[in-house]
Amino acid sequence: DIQMTQSPSSLSASVGDRVTITCQASQDIRELLNWYQQKPGKAPKLLIYDVSNLESGVPSRFSGSGSGTDFSFTISSLQPEDIATYFCQHYDNLRLTFGGGTKVEIK
Amino acid sequence: EVQLVESGGGLVQPGRSLRLSCVASGFTFDDYAMHWVRQAPGRGLEWVSGISWHSGTMGYADSVKGRFTISRDNAKNSLYLQMNSLRSEDTAFYFCAKDFRDRLAGIDYWGQGSLVTVSS
Repeated sequence: DIQMTQSPSSLSASVGDRVTITCQASQDIRELLNWYQQKPGKAPKLLIYDVSNLESGVPSRFSGSGSGTDFSFTISSLQPEDIATYFCQHYDNLRLTFGGGTKVEIK
Repeated sequence: EVQLVESGGGLVQPGRSLRLSCVASGFTFDDYAMHWVRQAPGRGLEWVSGISWHSGTMGYADSVKGRFTISRDNAKNSLYLQMNSLRSEDTAFYFCAKDFRDRLAGIDYWGQGSLVTVSS
């Protein structure tokens, strides 16, 4: 089974900072990767699908890139409302696999 | 507006069974795959099971394979999860979730969750 390793598990940054989260797959997953944001007490929200496609209504400060086994998610300028936990997620024909999550806090 | 409303959660003893249900509205149910995802309090997301639009593909996490069964009734816009031989580690909020494709790909809408507590 494919494992998704997300790092860091948590980070603290200042408003306006550029924040990058990485997700590594245990084998080549082509571009079958999505990113979600989950705020405390809320259901997750899809931000990016298929590595780099921004879901409708999602601010352009969020972006994703990568291919094969190494992927990244970037917030170009951290805003107070971005405080949340972010998850990567791989898919194939039979399953979804989530990364462990990255908790983003304001310094 | 897409709505996913789960029911059937509660307190159950180890080894017993429970059936979760989810009623969907606001979209064409039989155009999309559906999923169950769980989250233990303070923990990360764990995909449990998914089913394609026509029930031709059903997938399960290794942790529930052989114990849980997913099904759907497109005529009733409903998704189900039959959970047998429950264990304490199955304790979590269970979310009904809509895929953005007709096959297993990713999730664009989530229910509010139904708490399942497995304890004696």
